[in-house]
Amino acid sequence: GALVYQYPRRTICKSGTSMRMECQAVGFQATSVAWYRQSPQKTFELIALSTVNSAIKYEQNFTQEKFPISHPNLSFSSMTVLNAYLEDRGLYLCGALDRGTGQLYFGEGSKLTVL
Amino acid sequence: GNSVTQMQGQVTLSEEEFLFINCTYSTTGYPTLFWYVQYPGEGPQLLLKVTTANNKGSSRGFEATYDKGTTSFHLQKASVQESDSAVYYCVLGDDTNAYKVIFGKGTHLHVLP
Repeated sequence: GALVYQYPRRTICKSGTSMRMECQAVGFQATSVAWYRQSPQKTFELIALSTVNSAIKYEQNFTQEKFPISHPNLSFSSMTVLNAYLEDRGLYLCGALDRGTGQLYFGEGSKLTVL
Repeated sequence: GNSVTQMQGQVTLSEEEFLFINCTYSTTGYPTLFWYVQYPGEGPQLLLKVTTANNKGSSRGFEATYDKGTTSFHLQKASVQESDSAVYYCVLGDDTNAYKVIFGKGTHLHVLP
C-alpha cells in the first residue's frame, strides 16, 4: 500500500541554525508533495506545494528564502528550515497525494525544537 | 474564508461509552470533508471522508454525515475502546487543490479502561 516516511522524527537545534527534513513516498508516485506546519497551540498550516518539474508554490507568510524545498523525483522531497528561531518550533508534516486513489497521505512528522 | 471549527479540545470517556465530536465548517461550494486521526508519535491518518452533501461516511465503527443544511460534519461512534484514544481532526478539502486542506484544531479523545 501507499506510505509516506518522514525523517528525522525530531530535532533539537540552537537558535539561528538550520534543520533539514526529508519525505519519502513508497508505493505510489508523489507528483506533488505538500509541506505543513503545526505550531504549538495551532492547527496545521500549509507552507508550500512542490510539484516535480514545476515551480514551488509558497503560501502567504512562508518564503523560499526561509523554507527552501527540493523535489528531485517522484518519491522524494526535502525541506530545510533556515535560521530557525523559537517561532519556527512545531511539527512539520509532508503530505503526498496518491492520484490513483485520490487520498492524501501524511508522513509521521518531524518535530523541531529550538533552544 | 474557509474555516473549520471544533469546539471540544478534549473529551474523556470510559470504554463502551458513546462518542460525539462536534465539527462545523464554513465554505462556499461543495468541498470534500474528512476526519483524520493522529495517534501519539504519528502523522494524521485518514479515518473517513465524504465527498457528497447529505451523505454519510463510516470506518472502523466511526461515522459522520455531511450536513450541508447545518454545515456540520460531526463524528460519532456508538462504543469507544481504549485504543481509540487519539487526536481527531475535522478537515475541509478544497475544490480546486487537494493539498489545501484546512484542519480544525483537533479534539483529544481519552478513553479510560
